[in-house]
Amino acid sequence: SQTIHQWPATLVQPVGSPLSLECTVEGTSNPNLYWYRQAAGRGLQLLFYSVGIGQISSEVPQNLSASRPQDRQFILSSKKLLLSDSGFYLCAWRGVNYGYTFGSGTRLTVV
Amino acid sequence: LAKTTQPISMDSYEGQEVNITCSHNNIATNDYITWYQQFPSQGPRFIIQGYKTKVTNEVASLFIPADRKSSTLSLPRVSLSDTAVYYCLVGDSGSYNTDKLIFGTGTRLQVFP
Repeated sequence: SQTIHQWPATLVQPVGSPLSLECTVEGTSNPNLYWYRQAAGRGLQLLFYSVGIGQISSEVPQNLSASRPQDRQFILSSKKLLLSDSGFYLCAWRGVNYGYTFGSGTRLTVV
Repeated sequence: LAKTTQPISMDSYEGQEVNITCSHNNIATNDYITWYQQFPSQGPRFIIQGYKTKVTNEVASLFIPADRKSSTLSLPRVSLSDTAVYYCLVGDSGSYNTDKLIFGTGTRLQVFP
């Protein structure tokens, strides 16, 4: 069966520090992969999506970047975090059938 | 991608049936309607998906009228554990390489004892 792993679960980082969040998918190949962010009490905002290795589409210009070095690995990064980067980050994948599966999320607090 | 409109919040009591309606006036011919459930500090979870008429699974039913400009998620006999945010989305599930889920604000359902 397909599973999605996302880590870490929680993270507290100082302003100006770098960020690296990793997401991996098992049990499928060539999935579409997505990064979402959810601010406290708000809906989900699509940040990046990828349809293949090295292919990244950015939805919102911001302080973040994404990379897909392997078929089932999706990384969200920042060189210098801002306070406004705080939020709940979710990775998701979609296979050839309908329905998206989300990871358990990373709660990022920038202090 | 078609935009959806849902009530911001709804209240209910245990054992009642809850119906959440979503408006999607600009739905395209190839679009499916999908509902997700999200608990605090968790990722959204797929509930049900449909194209037209009625779809039922073990947790919910989805009613879609002939014009497909709206849909209603029906939760039978809710319990306290159904307290969550429910999102309605429309998109072309056939556009595998180009589709992307755009979430609205969702409906916050609060179930009281």
